[in-house]
Amino acid sequence: EDQVTQSPEALRLQEGESSSLNCSYTVSGLRGLFWYRQDPGKGPEFLFTLYSAGEEKEKERLKATLTKKESFLHITAPKPEDSATYLCAVQKTGANNLFFGTGTRLTVIP
Amino acid sequence: NAGVMQNPRHLVRRRGQEARLRCSPMKGHSHVYWYRQLPEEGLKFMVYLQKENIIDESGMPKERFSAEFPKEGPSILRIQQVVRGDSAAYFCASSLAPVRDSPLHFGNGTRLTVT
Repeated sequence: EDQVTQSPEALRLQEGESSSLNCSYTVSGLRGLFWYRQDPGKGPEFLFTLYSAGEEKEKERLKATLTKKESFLHITAPKPEDSATYLCAVQKTGANNLFFGTGTRLTVIP
Repeated sequence: NAGVMQNPRHLVRRRGQEARLRCSPMKGHSHVYWYRQLPEEGLKFMVYLQKENIIDESGMPKERFSAEFPKEGPSILRIQQVVRGDSAAYFCASSLAPVRDSPLHFGNGTRLTVT
């Protein structure tokens, strides 16, 4: 059965304290893995797409990496404005939709 | 550049009434997806449409729910005879091409409350 598990469920960091969020997946035939950011009361905002193991993408303080079993979202020197829920989603080969995890709720304390 | 527009933002319905949720995709996008988000749960796929066609409705409940994306106008998600369990945030997303080739851009959702 397809599964996407994100950990931790919640994470509190001091401003400037770097850390990583994990997304473990089990899917028959990965077409792509997606990271989104969601602020309270808003829709998810697209961050990255990763297609193959070993691939890395960067945007400002965020870097996403992918292996055959999991993806990491590394946050370097986070700021309070990075506080949000980070969602991971996978797309199976041949599927029309994304399968989402339940997210990691990140709080960055000034 | 207007993003994906959803309305209303909040909708309150009594049990047994109908709910109509509207979604205008980003300019130039012809692929529309509807997702539902329950508290403490992940986004769940409901239906994928292109203009005038339902491509994949595998996530849509078989009864009371329907969706359309007409040639002119917004996409509509319709829930008939709502029940309390329908209370959730409903998100629409659009893309330039099928999701395998183009990322989804989400609206800010419609929060449905059934009393």
